[in-house]
Amino acid sequence: EPEVTQTPSHQVTQMGQEVILRCVPISNHLYFYWYRQILGQKVEFLVSFYNNEISEKSEIFDDQFSVERPDGSNFTLKIRSTKLEDSAMYFCASTLGETEETQYFGPGTRLLVL
Amino acid sequence: KQEVTQIPAALSVPEGENLVLNCSFTDSAIYNLQWFRQDPGKGLTSLLLIQSSQREQTSGRLNASLDKSSGRSTLYIAASQPGDSATYLCAAQAGTALIFGKGTTLSVSS
Repeated sequence: EPEVTQTPSHQVTQMGQEVILRCVPISNHLYFYWYRQILGQKVEFLVSFYNNEISEKSEIFDDQFSVERPDGSNFTLKIRSTKLEDSAMYFCASTLGETEETQYFGPGTRLLVL
Repeated sequence: KQEVTQIPAALSVPEGENLVLNCSFTDSAIYNLQWFRQDPGKGLTSLLLIQSSQREQTSGRLNASLDKSSGRSTLYIAASQPGDSATYLCAAQAGTALIFGKGTTLSVSS
């Protein structure tokens, strides 16, 4: 069964460093998403992406964040200058349609900023 | 702004019991409502999706209902098993974003 994959599974970085989280969505899906979950808190929406453009973003997704689909298979989330409060589990998701389809989530990347 | 609330926060039941998890949302203008399962430290596994025009969906021992007018959804788990122990999340789709509740952590004892 097709699945969303994410790399790395864990990443430790120093405050102020740039990190890139990678995702490979399900191959025929068209809509891509990033969410995050700070330990013990709700899963929070960051951004949605379609046709090489951001469709929607939350207040969390400020200028420190960016997304890119550099080729036909990968979808990345970049954090330019990490802060302690960026420590969280980051989930990528994808779906075939915009509103009528299940969003399928990857296993997540646990980011720890020291 | 859409808010999603799940009650109870935690639930412990003996194996074999039927149970209901509750989810409420503040804005009825949703495209769909999804239920997920999350095991500790793991990703989200989709369980059921209910379109806004639907009233319920079933998958095996799981049945989810949706009442948009009252802003409520329930997840019914029949004949619970220890393997059902996990956190169950509901999420309402508004726009392209899923807005999640904090979840109900279920523990089923054998």
